[in-house]
Amino acid sequence: EAEVAQSPRYKITEKSQAVAFWCDPISGHATLYWYRQILGQGPELLVQFQDESVVDDSQLPKDRFSAERLKGVDSTLKIQPAELGDSAMYLCASSLAGLAFGETQYFGPGTRLLVL
Amino acid sequence: AQSVTQLDSQVPVFEEAPVELRCNYSSSVSVYLFWYVQYPNQGLQLLLKYLSGSTLVESINGFEAEFNKSQTSFHLRKPSVHISDTAEYFCAVSSIQGAQKLVFGQGTRLTINP
Repeated sequence: EAEVAQSPRYKITEKSQAVAFWCDPISGHATLYWYRQILGQGPELLVQFQDESVVDDSQLPKDRFSAERLKGVDSTLKIQPAELGDSAMYLCASSLAGLAFGETQYFGPGTRLLVL
Repeated sequence: AQSVTQLDSQVPVFEEAPVELRCNYSSSVSVYLFWYVQYPNQGLQLLLKYLSGSTLVESINGFEAEFNKSQTSFHLRKPSVHISDTAEYFCAVSSIQGAQKLVFGQGTRLTINP
């Protein structure tokens, strides 16, 4: 069964350093999402791509976070500089064509970030 | 905008007992409703969803949820739980039009005791 791949699974960094996370969605999925899940809370959408275009980044802290999906396939989420409050699980998800008609999102295993 | 409230952060039950995980939502427009499950050290998996039609939806592993529009609820139930059901459960909604992103609740940790 096809899965969403993410790497690394765990990342420890010091504050003010740069970190990057990678996501490879299920083949053929046009829509890709990045979520942040703080411990004890539900996931919160950071950015949504349709192919290579950003369709929603309203919750992305753009002063330090950036995301790209250059060829409309895999994606990278970057934080620079990292802050203590960025410690969280970063989840990537994909869906075939978006949330039209309540389409299912498929999640990767996540990257757990700890900022010291 | 939509919001989701999961009324219980933790629910401990004994194996083979029934369980209900409560979910209420708020939205000014019609929504789709979802339950996702997160097993330890794994990503989220779709458990079931309500799009339209019958208000009672079922999953393949014995869970069911009922959409109640008047109460704006989508509670998840299982008549008899197993140790393997130990996980965190998230209720989520998305608008059926406009910005269709998923909005999640805070999650309910279900712990099954033998």
